[in-house]
Amino acid sequence: AQTVTQSQPEMSVQEAETVTLSCTYDTSESDYYLFWYKQPPSRQMILVIRQEAYKQQNATENRFSVNFQKAAKSFSLKISDSQLGDAAMYFCAIAGGTSYGKLTFGQGTILTVHP
Amino acid sequence: DAGVIQSPRHEVTEMGQEVTLRCKPISGHNSLFWYRQTMMRGLELLIYFNNNVPIDDSGMPEDRFSAKMPNASFSTLKIQPSEPRDSAVYFCASSRRGKPYGYTFGSGTRLTVV
Repeated sequence: AQTVTQSQPEMSVQEAETVTLSCTYDTSESDYYLFWYKQPPSRQMILVIRQEAYKQQNATENRFSVNFQKAAKSFSLKISDSQLGDAAMYFCAIAGGTSYGKLTFGQGTILTVHP
Repeated sequence: DAGVIQSPRHEVTEMGQEVTLRCKPISGHNSLFWYRQTMMRGLELLIYFNNNVPIDDSGMPEDRFSAKMPNASFSTLKIQPSEPRDSAVYFCASSRRGKPYGYTFGSGTRLTVV
């Protein structure tokens, strides 16, 4: 079984500042992938960033980066130089092992960006 | 690449009616997932298919829900009879088997049962 916990229901940040969204997970798999998805008001689910568990190097995508702490089962998302368009619900998710890749989501964090 | 296509985008129906949601996955993707999103329960996996075969339907709430994937390019999720508590956004997603995992979501169907 795999579970994902996002302990911050809501976060806010000033435009151009940096914000970090927290995520912890649990899995019995040794090989898994972690994801952050963004869901703006349009409700489209957009992949932000992906991390492979066997890679120690933290993934980065432009202004988005992760802090992957495998031993602590932690996978936080850092958004640098926040923009108004970053305002959305953010979901952390895990898919693991040699199965067919079932994706399990956390409860989400609503991010508000203040101008 | 047109992405994952879901229809309809919105559906309003009366309690007791049959509802069918449709999904066309990305060509070449061989895994398909149906998710339901509600405020109370978040995003829940209902069922997923691999190579058109249902692999795990443990998330299907009850017998009123059924899903089919007759071929690699089409899937349906049917609710019969529908109830107000079925009101939610239903997402379809597809992925290509094997690493790296990449899941692409459709735009979702907002279902309202009155």
